[in-house]
Amino acid sequence: GAGVSQTPSNKVTEKGKYVELRCDPISGHTALYWYRQSLGQGPEFLIYFQGTGAADDSGLPNDRFFAVRPEGSVSTLKIQRTERGDSAVYLCASSPDGQAGTGELFFGEGSRLTVL
Amino acid sequence: GIQVEQSPPDLILQEGANSTLRCNFSDSVNNLQWFHQNPWGQLINLFYIPSGTKQNGRLSATTVATERYSLLYISSSQTTDSGVYFCAVEGVYNFNKFYFGSGTKLNVKP
Repeated sequence: GAGVSQTPSNKVTEKGKYVELRCDPISGHTALYWYRQSLGQGPEFLIYFQGTGAADDSGLPNDRFFAVRPEGSVSTLKIQRTERGDSAVYLCASSPDGQAGTGELFFGEGSRLTVL
Repeated sequence: GIQVEQSPPDLILQEGANSTLRCNFSDSVNNLQWFHQNPWGQLINLFYIPSGTKQNGRLSATTVATERYSLLYISSSQTTDSGVYFCAVEGVYNFNKFYFGSGTKLNVKP
């Protein structure tokens, strides 16, 4: 498709389970970002990829969170041992070139994670 | 990180009215974007405007980078303008990390 695609759109899981969220960026965009949005708040930065490498993962809240982008396109955000506090909307964004600043960000529709 | 403050937090308008939303930020920025988050949660790009003025239909935006603020103008508001408007900035010393404000929640009544 033409835009950033995220799957699943909704995920309900139980506390302690493992979750994967997928992001397919706009074709040709080298920079990819994950953000997290809690109810009533603005999105918060989690991690940024330039190509295949995680250039900045300073926003990941703890070591239960991990993200990969093995071929420089699709990215997966992985959450281990989920906790109720992980419930949020996880947003993925891409931009054409992140090497000299972000450029314009384009967001997907998000994956809403609910941990029971 | 950069502090981003948006005002007002909530705004109720009658259809057809005009409004101005403000975004203040605490440091020099490389990049600034305005987004509209629709009721389904999608963040829609409105303006990519690190400086200067842009217009797109009934919407326009102005960023005065030296004074660390940006304004979003909505004229002749419509019910479809309802939702949350976010300002997001990227600092000159901290590339590739956007900081978002808490948003302005707009409700346009028919």
